[in-house]
Amino acid sequence: NAGVTQTPKFQVLKTGQSMTLQCAQDMNHEYMSWYRQDPGMGLRLIHYSVGAGITDQGEVPNGYNVSRSTTEDFPLRLLSAAPSQTSVYFCASAPRGLWDGYTFGSGTRLTVV
Amino acid sequence: GQQVMQIPQYQHVQEGEDFTTYCNSSTTLSNIQWYKQRPGGHPVFLIQLVKSGEVKKQKRLTFQFGEAKKNSSLHITATQTTDVGTYFCAADNAGGTSYGKLTFGQGTILTVHP
Repeated sequence: NAGVTQTPKFQVLKTGQSMTLQCAQDMNHEYMSWYRQDPGMGLRLIHYSVGAGITDQGEVPNGYNVSRSTTEDFPLRLLSAAPSQTSVYFCASAPRGLWDGYTFGSGTRLTVV
Repeated sequence: GQQVMQIPQYQHVQEGEDFTTYCNSSTTLSNIQWYKQRPGGHPVFLIQLVKSGEVKKQKRLTFQFGEAKKNSSLHITATQTTDVGTYFCAADNAGGTSYGKLTFGQGTILTVHP
């Protein structure tokens, strides 16, 4: 049982490049979310999904796109990377009702130069 | 949007001392969750509180949900070095229909000196 798998673990991008952060879960969770974590800022919600085909914006969605074509996968796309997107990105999933909370992946550390 | 304010931002204690972090909201919360993140790690779910005035315990950790469901606290008795990390509260979208939209407080970074 792998839980929530994020790839890659580390990535360096040049300003203007695009890339996709991958997230997959094998727990059949309906809810999935993407957060970014910056020092002193806590965890800020980028996008979230309550089921396949359903996504919505969080607090800081600008510059990011998501899609949820399957229950298992929830990729995060950076359209044109900017230095302000340097951060640690966490993907998380949870069953409907959130009774056991969100299960987080191990994170992707992204640096944009 | 939903906001939860968490204090203090930092807390340094000697091993064996108690520790408390507080989470406050200007709106009524449907529930509150607590997470712990070890240095260099990812957040790990600790507990969820749902009922007004609810108190739950996990060994040395005591979690409380206020009567008005606008505040919550996490208290650790007799801290140990293994308690080091950042403690976050998080709230689902109170009053709305977007369950699953979890908003986190800024977190309290706990340092324990042996």
